[in-house]
Amino acid sequence: AQSVTQLGSHVSVSEGALVLLRCNYSSSVPPYLFWYVQYPNQGLQLLLKYTTGATLVKGINGFEAEFKKSETSFHLTKPSAHMSDAAEYFCAVSAYSGGGADGLTFGKGTHLIIQP
Amino acid sequence: DTGVSQDPRHKITKRGQNVTFRCDPISEHNRLYWYRQTLGQGPEFLTYFQNEAQLEKSRLLSDRFSAERPKGSFSTLEIQRTEQGDSAMYLCASSLMGYEQYFGPGTRLTVT
Repeated sequence: AQSVTQLGSHVSVSEGALVLLRCNYSSSVPPYLFWYVQYPNQGLQLLLKYTTGATLVKGINGFEAEFKKSETSFHLTKPSAHMSDAAEYFCAVSAYSGGGADGLTFGKGTHLIIQP
Repeated sequence: DTGVSQDPRHKITKRGQNVTFRCDPISEHNRLYWYRQTLGQGPEFLTYFQNEAQLEKSRLLSDRFSAERPKGSFSTLEIQRTEQGDSAMYLCASSLMGYEQYFGPGTRLTVT
């Protein structure tokens, strides 16, 4: 079984500042990890994913995340926040690279607020 | 490149009525997933198809929920005898076997 904990339901940063959204997971098998973004009244868009190989993963819109097995973490970062980054961010885990038979297990989400 | 589409985008129904939602996946994708998302929560996995076969349905919330994908293309999710607790966003996602899931815009259900 898998689970995800996202620390901080709301994170507020100034425009141009570093964005750090925290995600810790629990998995009984080697995990596949994902970050999705959701804008109001829309579906989820994949930002990046970790399957195997390099532990630092780069995604769209300047985001990246690092898989740290020893810390069971997959934190999302962006060096410089932009107003358009304001949205809800979800971390997800799966036992399969495509979220096979069990689908994806999501955290509760972090609402990112960008202050001008 | 047309993404995943869902219809309707919004549905308001009275308690006790049946509702059906449709999902059209990306055309070459053979896997299709349904999720439910309530306010302030992440999506919750409900069921999964590979082609026309429903390979996982134990996570459907009750026997009032059912899903079909008759020809391995579009899928429908039906909720019978709706309850106020069914009010949520229902999300559909599709994937090509073994790759990432692409989500539709969702259907927001309000049960009055």
